[in-house]
Amino acid sequence: AQSVTQLGSHVSVSEGALVLLRCNYSSSVPPYLFWYVQYPNQGLQLLLKYTTGATLVKGINGFEAEFKKSETSFHLTKPSAHMSDAAEYFCAVSAPTGGFKTIFGAGTRLFVKA
Amino acid sequence: DVKVTQSSRYLVKRTGEKVFLECVQDMDHENMFWYRQDPGLGLRLIYFSYDVKMKEKGDIPEGYSVSREKKERFSLILESASTNQTSMYLCASSSYDGDEQYFGPGTRLTVT
Repeated sequence: AQSVTQLGSHVSVSEGALVLLRCNYSSSVPPYLFWYVQYPNQGLQLLLKYTTGATLVKGINGFEAEFKKSETSFHLTKPSAHMSDAAEYFCAVSAPTGGFKTIFGAGTRLFVKA
Repeated sequence: DVKVTQSSRYLVKRTGEKVFLECVQDMDHENMFWYRQDPGLGLRLIYFSYDVKMKEKGDIPEGYSVSREKKERFSLILESASTNQTSMYLCASSSYDGDEQYFGPGTRLTVT
């Protein structure tokens, strides 16, 4: 069965600084990987996804993530944080062995300081 | 534009009441899901449905049931609400297994 671990329940950065949110997964077969963002009092929306092909995936709002099979990681980055990036971020994995059930990480709340 | 709507944003119910949460999607998606979200626990799957009248239990189905009579509508039912069911409930849909999910805005349910 697949699983997802997000390192750090809270991350704080200064405006303009690099954003790095960590995600490690476990899957016995090539997975599909996702990052979702949740703004206060809203549902989740997709930031980006990896299915096959290029391992560096670009998403909305300047975010990107790199699939590293050898490290079983799918970390989310953004070169320069904006105040509007403050939200909760969820990493998720799905794989055929799990009947394509999607497993979500516990989430990382990003704080952006002025 | 893709849309998933939920019948209520906020709901307050009393212990023992029967509660219905409705979800509608306009994307002709096969799969629909109900999650609950609690601080520090992420999203936990309650039930999902891969076709009309078909349903499968997720990780925490106890105390809940679901209904999918039409493809676009998926209802979550709390047969007898309890205080430990106070939570944020999120509905989602996807076009095929493993694909990205589209989420509704959520229903924050408080059971007193």
